[in-house]
Amino acid sequence: KQEVTQIPAALSVPEGENLVLNCSFTDSAIYNLQWFRQDPGKGLTSLLLIQSSQREQTSGRLNASLDKSSGRSTLYIAASQPGDSATYLCAVKGSSGSARQLTFGSGTQLTVLP
Amino acid sequence: NAGVTQTPKFQVLKTGQSMTLQCAQDMNHEYMSWYRQDPGMGLRLIHYSVGAGITDQGEVPNGYNVSRSTTEDFPLRLLSAAPSQTSVYFCASSYSAGHFNSPLHFGNGTRLTVT
Repeated sequence: KQEVTQIPAALSVPEGENLVLNCSFTDSAIYNLQWFRQDPGKGLTSLLLIQSSQREQTSGRLNASLDKSSGRSTLYIAASQPGDSATYLCAVKGSSGSARQLTFGSGTQLTVLP
Repeated sequence: NAGVTQTPKFQVLKTGQSMTLQCAQDMNHEYMSWYRQDPGMGLRLIHYSVGAGITDQGEVPNGYNVSRSTTEDFPLRLLSAAPSQTSVYFCASSYSAGHFNSPLHFGNGTRLTVT
């Protein structure tokens, strides 16, 4: 069974700092990995999707990398802003059977201090 | 752009009551799903559908029923509510079950409390 882990559970940084969020998964047989953002009381918003054949994806100040062989992904946020404060979740989609559904990590709660 | 719409936003039930959580999407997505989110446990898949008339169980289906009579709607029914079903419920959809790399779009959730 796929397991997804995100460490740390919470992170606090001063505004302007570059930061990295980590995601690890146990089964490397995946179709893709997605990073989501969740604001308090809201649903999840998809930030980046990395296909299994890709190494990284970029959107604005966000860069996500994928290393399937080691079961790891990172989300890099450049020049962090208070508006980046949210919970960030990663999710992997398996490549066969019921594993084709997404398995989510528990998230990293990010606070960017002004 | 409505996207994925969930109603109600909040609901309080007594143990044993039944109710239906509504989910509708206007993006002509084939794939729809229901998750529950609990502290420390992440999101867990309850049921999903790959198209109208087709549903299947996820990780935690017990106590819930679904149907998919149209492409747009995917209601979740709680048959006899239990305190263990207190949670935040999210509906999510994506373009096609066959397009494994299409991103998932979420509604804003229904916060359910069972007393």
